[in-house]
Amino acid sequence: DVKVTQSSRYLVKRTGEKVFLECVQDMDHENMFWYRQDPGLGLRLIYFSYDVKMKEKGDIPEGYSVSREKKERFSLILESASTNQTSMYLCASSLIIWGPPSTDTQYFGPGTRLTVL
Amino acid sequence: GQQLNQSPQSMFIQEGEDVSMNCTSSSIFNTWLWYKQDPGEGPVLLIALYKAGELTSNGRLTAQFGITRKDSFLNISASIPSDVGIYFCAGRLQGGSEKLVFGKGTKLTVNP
Repeated sequence: DVKVTQSSRYLVKRTGEKVFLECVQDMDHENMFWYRQDPGLGLRLIYFSYDVKMKEKGDIPEGYSVSREKKERFSLILESASTNQTSMYLCASSLIIWGPPSTDTQYFGPGTRLTVL
Repeated sequence: GQQLNQSPQSMFIQEGEDVSMNCTSSSIFNTWLWYKQDPGEGPVLLIALYKAGELTSNGRLTAQFGITRKDSFLNISASIPSDVGIYFCAGRLQGGSEKLVFGKGTKLTVNP
């Protein structure tokens, strides 16, 4: 079974703080993704990575950065947290993208609910 | 970003009833995925579909990849209280996009 874990289930931070959200997968997947989920807006892609040290912007990258130093770990960084970044953050991974069907199926972690005061 | 049209947005049913929900798009998809999300948790993959016309079951769940490759449905038979949650469809667009497109979810409530 694929296992995607996230470092915290709940996090409360203050405006202006630097925030790190960590995600680890144990299935040797090439691709990792960060989404945020807000009521009425669904899942929105922030960043993804298809290889170590490689990253691509998603639909809403502003205010975020990412780091992928090791294949199994993908970090989301809020350089200076703001109240509009209060949200549920979901990490996902998939085997590869440019391959046969089934390799692009994404598996999600349990989520981190971040509150910025 | 692009979104899938998922309907209905919410459903209130009695235990034992069957449920049907669907996702449609004007674009062609190579992959359709159905997820369930419990409150405060991440989405869990229920069924993955990779071929037009494919019909796949997972227990009481059945999903189909539409023949036109622009839609998919999910059926739940004989619903039980633990079926409560939000069900999402997701698809991979034809053309090799690296990103999944998501529906906004169907919130299911099952009354015992």
